[in-house]
Amino acid sequence: QKEVEQNSGPLSVPEGAIASLNCTYSDRGSQSFFWYRQYSGKSPELIMFIYSNGDKEDGRFTAQLNKASQYVSLLIRDSQPSDSATYLCAVNKEYGNKLVFGAGTILRVKS
Amino acid sequence: EAGVVQSPRYKIIEKKQPVAFWCNPISGHNTLYWYRQNLGQGPELLIRYENEEAVDDSQLPKDRFSAERLKGVDSTLKIQPAELGDSAVYLCASSLEGREGRYGYTFGSGTRLTVV
Repeated sequence: QKEVEQNSGPLSVPEGAIASLNCTYSDRGSQSFFWYRQYSGKSPELIMFIYSNGDKEDGRFTAQLNKASQYVSLLIRDSQPSDSATYLCAVNKEYGNKLVFGAGTILRVKS
Repeated sequence: EAGVVQSPRYKIIEKKQPVAFWCNPISGHNTLYWYRQNLGQGPELLIRYENEEAVDDSQLPKDRFSAERLKGVDSTLKIQPAELGDSAVYLCASSLEGREGRYGYTFGSGTRLTVV
């Protein structure tokens, strides 16, 4: 079992729709969760982090965390073609002070 | 504030040749990470430094990879000899010690290595 799992996609949504990206993790002691966006040929860019159960909103982005289910998601409202990228879920494990990344989900927003 | 600076941006070498990558972290960041990202995969940690000390190098292939961080600032990652399977993007990241768990960290632009 991978430590952080994501559906590789691609996830295709029309412009203006809500994109929903999901991630599960195996280390029940994990405390912090991150979403990075990575455009093709570029390095990952941090867009959201969350460490409390529930929702955290930042502009068009909402991160959702459910520690009991070991599940974290990212919602992108009013999706734009510029949101087309790979979204990486990362988890800070209970021990080790390092981020463990999933393989990423490719998002395609069609105009 | 300048970000994490890496060089070179691209490198093409023949197998069995040596190669080195350089990273300058964000000023004041004492924790530095080297990650490797294969095509279609997420980044995987190779080594983590706190100041000059390598505190986690469990995933570093020590038979051919080496790293150093002199004076706790710049870092160099070396591969000798390179193999075809080493083709990947090598990413450097930095953070303030203890804060990566709360705020994540910032990546450099990466070095794309192609071994032919």
